[in-house]
Amino acid sequence: DAGVTQSPTHLIKTRGQQVTLRCSPKSGHDTVSWYQQALGQGPQFIFQYYEEEERQRGNFPDRFSGHQFPNYSSELNVNALLLGDSALYLCASSAGQQNTEAFFGQGTRLTVV
Amino acid sequence: AQSVTQLGSHVSVSEGALVLLRCNYSSSVPPYLFWYVQYPNQGLQLLLKYTTGATLVKGINGFEAEFKKSETSFHLTKPSAHMSDAAEYFCAALSGGYQKVTFGTGTKLQVIP
Repeated sequence: DAGVTQSPTHLIKTRGQQVTLRCSPKSGHDTVSWYQQALGQGPQFIFQYYEEEERQRGNFPDRFSGHQFPNYSSELNVNALLLGDSALYLCASSAGQQNTEAFFGQGTRLTVV
Repeated sequence: AQSVTQLGSHVSVSEGALVLLRCNYSSSVPPYLFWYVQYPNQGLQLLLKYTTGATLVKGINGFEAEFKKSETSFHLTKPSAHMSDAAEYFCAALSGGYQKVTFGTGTKLQVIP
């Protein structure tokens, strides 16, 4: 079992650009949540996808959007990148919407210059 | 809104000494509670969780935590620190719609030989 896999592991983008991060959930999991972890901070909830729909959203602007595919994998898109978007982006998967058994990927380190 | 407070952003202990990492949550309804560990440039690994039932929860690597409703606390302990325990530890709570996990700001544990 490969667990939760995220790609790419590292990414450097220029301010104003757009970025897409990808996540494959753990086998048997149908729910994906995304988190942003700024340096020295705890992860902040961005949103959760279940049955290909966004089910709950944290306090993030519309520049942050996502998608879930029929195979349960997910993408996080960020438009008009700001320097402050530099962070580790974590994907977590679970079986069902109740995240009592959420498994995290190793994250994508995004640097905006 | 749910919030999680971790007291002490940095904790240093000697190898073999007791580890105590503090966590308090704010919620009128006891949430599900978690402790995660994060090693440098890694994702989050679940150490233990409290959902219902026994208030003393045992996790991996010799860690345990006790849920105390009267104190709204969920402190993490380990009787004897090992060098490999040096990492950052996050307390988290899941409540409401059981979709959004709220994390504390983390405690970096340093183990001194």
